[in-house]
Amino acid sequence: AQKVTQAQTEISVVEKEDVTLDCVYETRDTTYYLFWYKQPPSGELVFLIRRNSFDEQNEISGRYSWNFQKSTSSFNFTITASQVVDSAVYFCALSEAGDNYGQNFVFGPGTRLSVLP
Amino acid sequence: DSGVTQTPKHLITATGQRVTLRCSPRSGDLSVYWYQQSLDQGLQFLIQYYNGEERAKGNILERFSAQQFPDLHSELNLSSLELGDSALYFCASSVDGTDFYEQYFGPGTRLTVT
Repeated sequence: AQKVTQAQTEISVVEKEDVTLDCVYETRDTTYYLFWYKQPPSGELVFLIRRNSFDEQNEISGRYSWNFQKSTSSFNFTITASQVVDSAVYFCALSEAGDNYGQNFVFGPGTRLSVLP
Repeated sequence: DSGVTQTPKHLITATGQRVTLRCSPRSGDLSVYWYQQSLDQGLQFLIQYYNGEERAKGNILERFSAQQFPDLHSELNLSSLELGDSALYFCASSVDGTDFYEQYFGPGTRLTVT
């Protein structure tokens, strides 16, 4: 069965610090997708990124960057120069692709990030 | 504002009842996804519709069903409700059926079963 682990339940940082949110996944499939979502205090979910298992290039979007390492089954998320508005719960997720598309779509338990002014 | 609307915002009902949650996707989006978020189960993907057809099925219970109408809005029907169905139900939309990509989420419907 697929599994997503986010070992950090809560993280607190001071504004402008860099912070990395860890995500470790388990799957037997060779074709899968990895995701990150943000849920700010307002409650709405925000899609951040989808990564295909065949694309191990790291991605950067502004202050956000993602490090995908198949060798360690990790898909970590780094926020550079954190801001108070980054305070949210962040979820990592995993989905099979191909014929099993949509099945076994698994979210991690989330990491609550608090950025203090 | 994501452009995705969900109604109602809150719903309180009793065990054994049936409710319908509604989702209107962003203009032009063909896919609608449904998710459930509860304290016990966390976040779960339920089901996806693309242009009126079921595209993917996740952890949706048999007591739950969904459909997408010709105008592309979607409804999630929950029947024989149990206390454990109390949760926040999100819908999301995306332009096409491409696997869970570029989703925009609605504000959610909070369902309380008493």
